[in-house]
Amino acid sequence: GENVEQHPSTLSVQEGDSAVIKCTYSDSASNYFPWYKQELGKGPQLIIDIRSNVGEKKDQRIAVTLNKTAKHFSLHITETQPEDSAVYFCAASKGGTYKYIFGTGTRLKVLA
Amino acid sequence: DSGVTQTPKHLITATGQRVTLRCSPRSGDLSVYWYQQSLDQGLQFLIQYYNGEERAKGNILERFSAQQFPDLHSELNLSSLELGDSALYFCASSPRSLGDNEQFFGPGTRLTVL
Repeated sequence: GENVEQHPSTLSVQEGDSAVIKCTYSDSASNYFPWYKQELGKGPQLIIDIRSNVGEKKDQRIAVTLNKTAKHFSLHITETQPEDSAVYFCAASKGGTYKYIFGTGTRLKVLA
Repeated sequence: DSGVTQTPKHLITATGQRVTLRCSPRSGDLSVYWYQQSLDQGLQFLIQYYNGEERAKGNILERFSAQQFPDLHSELNLSSLELGDSALYFCASSPRSLGDNEQFFGPGTRLTVL
């Protein structure tokens, strides 16, 4: 069935360092890949997304890369700040249902 | 603030009871999705409605049902509640159901079944 694996489950970095979170999807028909940030007690917030016709997308300190052949995509956060501390979820979706299949989440802690 | 509202914020009830969770999508959004977030299952898609009609079903139990009303707000009904139904329930909305889309999540309803 459809599945998205996400690694690592927890990640601690020093302030100013980079953080990388990786996801692998199983359904080759997936064509839209959003990333969400969830802070404690809040709903997931969309931070960046990428579509299957693009290999990389960047928005300030955040970037996402997609390798369709290997069926994996990654979130890169540079110059991390304490306010980046949160749980990050990747997801995959495809045309037809447009439902999201979420990864299991990564708890990022940025140490000041 | 995503523009999606959910009520109530917290709900505590007993096993066997029935509850209704409410969601108002962003202004103009036609599509509503419901997700369940639990510690052991992560974020799981339950059901999608588009402009009042059911469009997709996920891992939704038969004890659960949903509907979307003419004003586009949606309700998720959970009945014969069990301890394992305790979770965060999120609603998300998007402008359309066709084509790649962004989903905007509400703040969630935390359900505790005692």
